[in-house]
Amino acid sequence: GAVVSQHPSRVICKSGTSVKIECRSLDFQATTMFWYRQFPKQSLMLMATSNEGSKATYEQGVEKDKFLINHASLTLSTLTVTSAHPEDSSFYICSAKSRDRDREQFFGPGTRLTVL
Amino acid sequence: EDKVVQSPLSLVVHEGDTVTLNCSYEVTNFRSLLWYKQEKKAPTFLFMLTSSGIEKKSGRLSSILDKKELFSILNITATQTGDSAIYLCAVEAYGGTYKYIFGTGTRLKVLA
Repeated sequence: GAVVSQHPSRVICKSGTSVKIECRSLDFQATTMFWYRQFPKQSLMLMATSNEGSKATYEQGVEKDKFLINHASLTLSTLTVTSAHPEDSSFYICSAKSRDRDREQFFGPGTRLTVL
Repeated sequence: EDKVVQSPLSLVVHEGDTVTLNCSYEVTNFRSLLWYKQEKKAPTFLFMLTSSGIEKKSGRLSSILDKKELFSILNITATQTGDSAIYLCAVEAYGGTYKYIFGTGTRLKVLA
């Protein structure tokens, strides 16, 4: 149990386009989802926390107009990178917490974004 | 500002060696400390620690938390090449909402 999927696993896009990444909890209801960014050989950096039905809480330094997060249901959160630029190229990972097991977070497999 | 620091940043050992990875933290409203192993993709969960002095074990891995010194260690005994990975320490803290602050990570390479 407690499986989180992400789609797509890899995306390559041109500079200036927008990219949407989906994060789904497959077998549980995720009351909270987290979005992280990871640069090569670096640790995970929390970008934002989203709770179902409410606005996401962004970490300091993360532009909310640039990284749009929508937690529309208890099983789906989306991250849209708007007007992507090469510096947005990174590994984006989501995680989810269950209502029943709120001490644990379950990670998705990640999405590698390359902006040309 | 909340922060989590891991040391060493990287480590190269030979199979059979024992390693100790360190994690220190300064956060407000600490809830738990977690260790993860990351190979090619997303991190996989190893341990969650909430109480001081209680060792958690899983096979060759063990971990303990010291809430007075704000410190945790992860031990791996009789290392194998399959232990090569990045080991991440994360602290769950409350600041209006619960969130996880990740440390810098320790990159472990085990040579055959």
